[in-house]
Amino acid sequence: DIVMSQSPESLAVSLGERATINCTSSQSVLYDSNNKNFLAWYQQKPGQPPKLLIYWASTRESGVPDRFSGSGSGTDFTLTIRTLQAEDVAVYYCQQYYSTPQITFGQGTRLEIK
Amino acid sequence: QVQLVQSGAEVKKPGASVKVSCKASGYTFTTYYMHWVRQAPGQGLEWMGIINPSGGSTTYAQKFQGRVTMTRDTSTSTVYMELSSLRSADTAVYFCARVNRYYDLLIGDSVTYSDYWGQGTLVTVSS
Repeated sequence: DIVMSQSPESLAVSLGERATINCTSSQSVLYDSNNKNFLAWYQQKPGQPPKLLIYWASTRESGVPDRFSGSGSGTDFTLTIRTLQAEDVAVYYCQQYYSTPQITFGQGTRLEIK
Repeated sequence: QVQLVQSGAEVKKPGASVKVSCKASGYTFTTYYMHWVRQAPGQGLEWMGIINPSGGSTTYAQKFQGRVTMTRDTSTSTVYMELSSLRSADTAVYFCARVNRYYDLLIGDSVTYSDYWGQGTLVTVSS
């Protein structure tokens, strides 16, 4: 199984500042044949289901504010939230879908306001 | 608009079974696979398995093999997840999640990310 590891486990950032969350996979999730990274990012607020933010490691889902961006390739990925807003307080998960049809999630990163 | 509406909360005794439903609307039901993912209180997301609503084929996480059964009813655009031999560790919120598919000539058919999720169903296992 591909193991996904996120860091940090929790993060406190001031409003208007940048938040950076890292995700590492135990093996590459990049398919060389099409140069796509099979990785997504989700946001989950209390009492709600996860919400898709980013797929293919860097493609923003429709309707997601452009302050959210994804980067990285192979085994190392980053979710960046530029100019943190109060509504961004949530738990963020990365997910690999390389080992189709099986998927695995990172353990989550809790983002709070400092 | 796409909607996934799950059945209501359940309370079960250890050893019992539970069956959670997920009714889809707003898209062609048989075109998209469906994941089931669970989340224990205060914990992360755990993949349980996937069903192809078109033919009914399934793949289950090894952890749940023998205890989970996923089915579908195309006449009502509903998928079901049944978990048996319940124990307290199965207390969790269970989510269905629509899966986007990706086809590549070299890779073939792949499941990818989930763009729509059900609201979640809390299953509590307690004596």
